[in-house]
Amino acid sequence: DAGVIQSPRHEVTEMGQEVTLRCKPISGHDYLFWYRQTMMRGLELLIYFNNNVPIDDSGMPEDRFSAKMPNASFSTLKIQPSEPRDSAVYFCASRAGTSGRTGELFFGEGSRLTVL
Amino acid sequence: RKEVEQDPGPFNVPEGATVAFNCTYSNSASQSFFWYRQDCRKEPKLLMSVYSSGNEDGRFTAQLNRASQYISLLIRDSKLSDSATYLCVVRPNDYKLSFGAGTTVTVRA
Repeated sequence: DAGVIQSPRHEVTEMGQEVTLRCKPISGHDYLFWYRQTMMRGLELLIYFNNNVPIDDSGMPEDRFSAKMPNASFSTLKIQPSEPRDSAVYFCASRAGTSGRTGELFFGEGSRLTVL
Repeated sequence: RKEVEQDPGPFNVPEGATVAFNCTYSNSASQSFFWYRQDCRKEPKLLMSVYSSGNEDGRFTAQLNRASQYISLLIRDSKLSDSATYLCVVRPNDYKLSFGAGTTVTVRA
């Protein structure tokens, strides 16, 4: 079975450019999460969706960040304009509602973003 | 104050040794607790859940102390393959997981 699929795996861009990260959750999972990981701050929850609806976006750092989930099999995280401090690994994760008690989130391999 | 705090380590131990470490959490109403494992440059993966009575999974033992709000993980007879970062995870509500920054363990031959 395919896991969570993220693209691109690596992105190097210049400050001011728009960055779009993509995620395909595991089929049948109705929760989707975007996390950011840095050495300084660890894993931070940015936003999560339930049945394609954004539920909690309080972790989105500022207006330069936006996320969408137009359907159950696709989500994007966009940064516009990007800044060097946005450099991090961005993880997408999904889970089925019934797995909530087990706590098992299934993570993608991450998108490593470097903003010069 | 961070929701979940961990000693970052690193813990450097020889093969066969026992290593243990804790994390603390701030939200006393947290419902569930977990340990995730993250290998270098890889994604986090669930290692085990942590139950109130304590639980074992092979060489791994997890304990929860709700009164003091800490969780522990003990690894017995450590293997080279146990080298990883161990993330303490707390669920403060039904939907969200809060991750600690991780404790790095290095097992040497």
